[in-house]
Amino acid sequence: GAGVSQTPSNKVTEKGKYVELRCDPISGHTALYWYRQSLGQGPEFLIYFQGTGAADDSGLPNDRFFAVRPEGSVSTLKIQRTERGDSAVYLCASSEPSGTQYFGPGTRLTVL
Amino acid sequence: EDQVTQSPEALRLQEGESSSLNCSYTVSGLRGLFWYRQDPGKGPEFLFTLYSAGEEKEKERLKATLTKKESFLHITAPKPEDSATYLCAVRTTSGNTPLVFGKGTRLSVIA
Repeated sequence: GAGVSQTPSNKVTEKGKYVELRCDPISGHTALYWYRQSLGQGPEFLIYFQGTGAADDSGLPNDRFFAVRPEGSVSTLKIQRTERGDSAVYLCASSEPSGTQYFGPGTRLTVL
Repeated sequence: EDQVTQSPEALRLQEGESSSLNCSYTVSGLRGLFWYRQDPGKGPEFLFTLYSAGEEKEKERLKATLTKKESFLHITAPKPEDSATYLCAVRTTSGNTPLVFGKGTRLSVIA
């Protein structure tokens, strides 16, 4: 079946701009996670959803970052007033209850 | 604070030269240890989950083992297609909770 999909695969933006990153989870998976991965590092947790609600957003670095999952399926990660330090690969994963997390291919964000 | 440390950072092997990757962890309570493989430009691909000390899992040339303090990923007679970054992660509470990842080991297998 289809895996986790993320769009766009690459996003180049200018400092100060607003960006939206989309994640389409595996059908039927109730949990959805966002991670951020910098070069040479492992993924770092940002936020996770159980259904429509954010169950844990403790990994969001500051209030410029926000995520939604209005219908319990697709999620959008939103970054306001982007900074060069936001450049990274943003990974999305989904899972069944207490199940293995399956990752998408990621969105590479470059802030110039 | 929960920590996951992987070693070595990078490993270069000749084809057929077996070796092991290490993942040591310091957590308040382990609810699963996960191994993923990541190819350049792609997302992590799930390999194994281990839950208790003494548990072992195998898949082709890979075998993962777990003790109370660390996990090993053994690679037997590796091939060039095994070249990738191998990530270790832990879950420390029950349910759908986020994973804490190590930095990974970058494996290169030379023909």
